[in-house]
Amino acid sequence: GAGVSQSPRYKVAKRGQDVALRCDPISGHVSLFWYQQALGQGPEFLTYFQNEAQLDKSGLPSDRFFAERPEGSVSTLKIQRTQQEDSAVYLCASSPGGPAGANVLTFGAGSRLTVL
Amino acid sequence: GQQVMQIPQYQHVQEGEDFTTYCNSSTTLSNIQWYKQRPGGHPVFLIQLVKSGEVKKQKRLTFQFGEAKKNSSLHITATQTTDVGTYFCAGPAGNTPLVFGKGTRLSVIA
Repeated sequence: GAGVSQSPRYKVAKRGQDVALRCDPISGHVSLFWYQQALGQGPEFLTYFQNEAQLDKSGLPSDRFFAERPEGSVSTLKIQRTQQEDSAVYLCASSPGGPAGANVLTFGAGSRLTVL
Repeated sequence: GQQVMQIPQYQHVQEGEDFTTYCNSSTTLSNIQWYKQRPGGHPVFLIQLVKSGEVKKQKRLTFQFGEAKKNSSLHITATQTTDVGTYFCAGPAGNTPLVFGKGTRLSVIA
């Protein structure tokens, strides 16, 4: 597609519910990143894929967070048993590839999660 | 862990005044990137700096990468209301591909 597409744009969940957030990267982009952005803060790194391989998941806050990219294109970030502290905007970004630290990122509009 | 520090956190300027935000790392960076996030929007890439002492300009925006590749700055000349937003620097930190600073939120008073 023309840009990075994320859905849903807004999600309200009750504490304890599971949620799944989808990211459709720019066609052909090898690298895909997930970030969490709390209100008034900078994006915090969660995880990174190169094609279908999850190369770094050091930023995932707990084992309730899980990300996958099974066919090297669309990615899903799943949060199990949501907690109030999970409320944030979840940003997906993609890049053409190359050394991870030099990737220039194109972000999606984000999925705003509110946990009640 | 390694961090990319940004100052100031907030800056309020009158339209037409200049604005500068600074980014510092405790370790040498292979590159540094700058992003802008408008209120309610998502981060948008502005520029990438790679070389020691590099200076790049985009119209009224001037980006610098320090000689030691540990710091960077973004300077906006004669701010306009369209410059409003949060400016983030980002760089690789350890094994983490791209770590973002907390950003500098710029407000421009017309």
